[in-house]
Amino acid sequence: KAGVTQTPRYLIKTRGQQVTLSCSPISGHRSVSWYQQTPGQGLQFLFEYFSETQRNKGNFPGRFSGRQFSNSRSEMNVSTLELGDSALYLCASSPDRGEGDTQYFGPGTRLTVL
Amino acid sequence: GDSVTQMEGPVTLSEEAFLTINCTYTATGYPSLFWYVQYPGEGLQLLLKATKADDKGSNKGFEATYRKETTSFHLEKGSVQVSDSAVYFCALRRTGNQFYFGTGTSLTVIP
Repeated sequence: KAGVTQTPRYLIKTRGQQVTLSCSPISGHRSVSWYQQTPGQGLQFLFEYFSETQRNKGNFPGRFSGRQFSNSRSEMNVSTLELGDSALYLCASSPDRGEGDTQYFGPGTRLTVL
Repeated sequence: GDSVTQMEGPVTLSEEAFLTINCTYTATGYPSLFWYVQYPGEGLQLLLKATKADDKGSNKGFEATYRKETTSFHLEKGSVQVSDSAVYFCALRRTGNQFYFGTGTSLTVIP
């Protein structure tokens, strides 16, 4: 089975621009979560989508948004980029059945804001 | 709220040394517990997990036991290798698929 894929792998933007990141989950997985990873803050949860609905949301400003499509693929959008948005953005998928289900992570998208 | 506290790094060990990375959690109820590993330039990979008290997760020589009485899930390995050099994350999963991660512990193993 193919793993979680994220595109693009690297991205350079300037302040004020917007960006869209894409995540394709493992086939059959309906839950997709997004995380921001920075050296100072570690892994911070952004949001989780399940069956095209946002089910959980972390403590990030409204500039960060996402959506999920009927095939479970997900996109994350960041508008009006700030220097502090530079980070590795990780997507994780899970089958979401019962307790103890595991999240499987993609390789991440490295976003640099200049 | 729920949280995970991990031992601060970085940790540097010689090859074949014994490894312990401490992890404690705060949560209501009985969350599932995980250890993930991140190699340089890569995403996180599941290392092991435990879903209930006294369960022991194990993989690639690593072990961790879910201790409800001490709310801990310490990671151990009897003999580390250079290839174990990575960042290790402890995490808990709440109902509804919400995960909480520790800050990560960087491990460097020198030959």
